[in-house]
Amino acid sequence: RKEVEQDPGPFNVPEGATVAFNCTYSNSASQSFFWYRQDCRKEPKLLMSVYSSGNEDGRFTAQLNRASQYISLLIRDSKLSDSATYLCVVNMRSGAGSYQLTFGKGTKLSVIP
Amino acid sequence: SQTIHQWPATLVQPVGSPLSLECTVEGTSNPNLYWYRQAAGRGLQLLFYSVGIGQISSEVPQNLSASRPQDRQFILSSKKLLLSDSGFYLCAWSVDPRGAMITDTQYFGPGTRLTVL
Repeated sequence: RKEVEQDPGPFNVPEGATVAFNCTYSNSASQSFFWYRQDCRKEPKLLMSVYSSGNEDGRFTAQLNRASQYISLLIRDSKLSDSATYLCVVNMRSGAGSYQLTFGKGTKLSVIP
Repeated sequence: SQTIHQWPATLVQPVGSPLSLECTVEGTSNPNLYWYRQAAGRGLQLLFYSVGIGQISSEVPQNLSASRPQDRQFILSSKKLLLSDSGFYLCAWSVDPRGAMITDTQYFGPGTRLTVL
């Protein structure tokens, strides 16, 4: 089983639509969870952290289900500027005192006018 | 505020040539530093990380090496490049977890796109 698994998409949605991405992770000892956004040929940028209670940032809502080892990202009222690849990221503390990120391959979103 | 720089932005090198990519961080002290590679159609792969000057941990055995000669400088090197070394190389930093601000969020530099021919 892959460590972090995502539906690669692409998801093609019209402006204003609501779209949801899912992600599963294999290591039950994982401690931190993130969604990053990566535009074409650019570096990943942190979109939001994912907390156990779920969290919302404007049009974006992230949920974590530790029992099912499942993370989700919901985007409401999609904008053209939301078009990007969304990376699910799971962070585990290493023995050397640093943290190691394990990345999913990403889900590509295209918002269509 | 913290910033992270990488250079060069783009590089085309022949097989068998050496490589040196540089990464520097400003605005923070004693960061954890990371080198990742993103090959076409694949996820990010952690290559090396460093928790301090001269301290390098390797995640994937290969013909690449890393060094940290200064607190905020991280260098990725190779003596002889392979075709399979082509990819998007990303440097990232995070706050030292032993510091006052404990966070494990990582922030990425703009990357170097390497093509080996």
